Amino acid sequence: EVQLLESGGGLVQPGGSLRLSCAASGFTFSSYAMSWVRQAPGKGLEWVSAISGSADGTYYADSVKGRFTISRDNSKNTLYLQMNSLRAEDTAVYYCAKDSYGAYPRYGVDVWGQGTTVTVSS
Amino acid sequence: QTVVTQEPSFSVSPGGTVTLTCGLNSGSVSTNYYPSWYQQTPGQAPRTLIYSTNTRSSGVPDRFSGSILGNKAALTITGAQADDESDYYCVLYMGRGISVFGGGTKLTVL
Repeated sequence: EVQLLESGGGLVQPGGSLRLSCAASGFTFSSYAMSWVRQAPGKGLEWVSAISGSADGTYYADSVKGRFTISRDNSKNTLYLQMNSLRAEDTAVYYCAKDSYGAYPRYGVDVWGQGTTVTVSS
Repeated sequence: QTVVTQEPSFSVSPGGTVTLTCGLNSGSVSTNYYPSWYQQTPGQAPRTLIYSTNTRSSGVPDRFSGSILGNKAALTITGAQADDESDYYCVLYMGRGISVFGGGTKLTVL
């Protein structure tokens, strides 16, 4: 069974940093692109970032570019999101998701984690 | 700035058919945008319904189908059931690894 389990969320002050992790199992991790999607309280879903299967391509929404870094460790089947210079508007549930088709993030995702909550507040 | 548009809300009668759409503020949606569709109920993680325009995700009943209708992507639900009452989101691939979500459609079954 394909599973994704996020961790690392919590309360952080504005300007602070946090690293999210997503542990994957049940599929050949390195063969698939992975994405992060977030949802602010009471708001819709927002695509945040994606990474190719071999990590040779990383992609970001304008809202997080320069502050967030996506990475992966294929030997550990784990996806990461390093979040720096956090703002109140980054407060959200963060989901990791597996690409539906292959190593390049294009076709949409097919499996989601349960999410981890990030709260940016003083 | 590219904006992906969806109807804010829609209603359908039990057993009825509804088509939700996903468009662009400028231009037409084609299969090159690889539209995908997601269902979300409050407090739950999203569930994938359709990816790459019309491929149903594993376990999704064939009541759900994806297509291109005119200049928009479309999600059609036939034989609507009470538990189809959810928020529905589309995503379009913009190229260079970037995807954008629509604002979502709140579907009511009544």
